[in-house]
Amino acid sequence: GAVVSQHPSWVICKSGTSVKIECRSLDFQATTMFWYRQFPKQSLMLMATSNEGSKATYEQGVEKDKFLINHASLTLSTLTVTSAHPEDSSFYICSAYRLAGGQHNEQFFGPGTRLTVL
Amino acid sequence: GQNIDQPTEMTATEGAIVQINCTYQTSGFNGLFWYQQHAGEAPTFLSYNVLDGLEEKGRFSSFLSRSKGYSYLLLKELQMKDSASYLCAASDSNYQLIWGAGTKLIIKP
Repeated sequence: GAVVSQHPSWVICKSGTSVKIECRSLDFQATTMFWYRQFPKQSLMLMATSNEGSKATYEQGVEKDKFLINHASLTLSTLTVTSAHPEDSSFYICSAYRLAGGQHNEQFFGPGTRLTVL
Repeated sequence: GQNIDQPTEMTATEGAIVQINCTYQTSGFNGLFWYQQHAGEAPTFLSYNVLDGLEEKGRFSSFLSRSKGYSYLLLKELQMKDSASYLCAASDSNYQLIWGAGTKLIIKP
């Protein structure tokens, strides 16, 4: 299957600082990438849909000024958590969407980034 | 509205068979996915069904009935490493995935 990488895999930062998380599709071009957040013992929650070359679409309740998404190329999307606070501590997972012959979508997940804000 | 329902938790015995059910309601339908997720890790793809019927892949099989808005994941010859959460997700008319809350499967020796 296709490979999606995330960097860093884990990060600890102080409250008030900003953290950037990268999501890369390594062997295919992804016009669309998704950013999810997952709190312990809960399911994935879609935060935003990132489209290459255009503004991201945020889900209701997700602050776009706090979670900045940049999809600058067909293989890279970044999520920046600005002015992070302890309640932002979570597992952030990206996925990249690849059309498979126009029949169905395939979403390939990155390994996730565990963010801990002190 | 769009909705996915699956049981919160199930328990099964090593070596046995377990069936995890999923019902869905979506605006349009472009397939049903099953993912496995171990604690602290990202989900991994298990199966995809877009036509009615059973798809078998080794110890795992997935079934779909579009008329009933129903799918199940069947796990045979359970192993301890199968202890994980199993996520059901339906693809809607915009190809966006609608996620279930996941079923935590506990395997006992």
